[in-house]
Amino acid sequence: SQQGEEDPQALSIQEGENATMNCSYKTSINNLQWYRQNSGRGLVHLILIRSNEREKHSGRLRVTLDTSKKSSSLLITASRAADTASYFCATDLPGEYGNKLVFGAGTILRVKS
Amino acid sequence: NAGVTQTPKFQVLKTGQSMTLQCAQDMNHEYMSWYRQDPGMGLRLIHYSVGAGITDQGEVPNGYNVSRSTTEDFPLRLLSAAPSQTSVYFCASRPSYAPEFFGPGTRLTVL
Repeated sequence: SQQGEEDPQALSIQEGENATMNCSYKTSINNLQWYRQNSGRGLVHLILIRSNEREKHSGRLRVTLDTSKKSSSLLITASRAADTASYFCATDLPGEYGNKLVFGAGTILRVKS
Repeated sequence: NAGVTQTPKFQVLKTGQSMTLQCAQDMNHEYMSWYRQDPGMGLRLIHYSVGAGITDQGEVPNGYNVSRSTTEDFPLRLLSAAPSQTSVYFCASRPSYAPEFFGPGTRLTVL
């Protein structure tokens, strides 16, 4: 089973509204990352939050991390039609020879104009 | 910088055929990884490498081989293609404890 689980699986909102996506994970992490994928394209990194950080901002993005609950949330404020995409969390875990990223199944966000 | 490049973009194979997906990066990143993406499954790690000569398995390594003889290149070999390997394959690279840079993907169909 996958380390990261996003919730909800799909989200549909009006332009200008805020969108919140959640990610839960199972084991201790080095950091947690959020990525966006537009249809048919590769993933693009949005934001990285380290295990000793609780909140991070980047433009209209706000990420929180609660290591006691093993969960993170991504908030996109004042959404735009161009934010329509799939969003994935990824947890950075220790591997045998180094660390590896494990991705969740993603949240599909649709912003209606 | 070209970033992460993948070839081919599209490939159709028959069951039992073998092939190599190519991946190269010009950013001198230590880590390189291969993922597959299936509908509704997100990305699953196949194999990754932390440097030349060092590779490790991910979640779904069966049916795939990798090697890393140089920092720049990380090819993925399908030994005997099966319909279950129909997927989109992404190569990525990064420094340690840093975000992934993804290639554009290879769409593979196995008949």
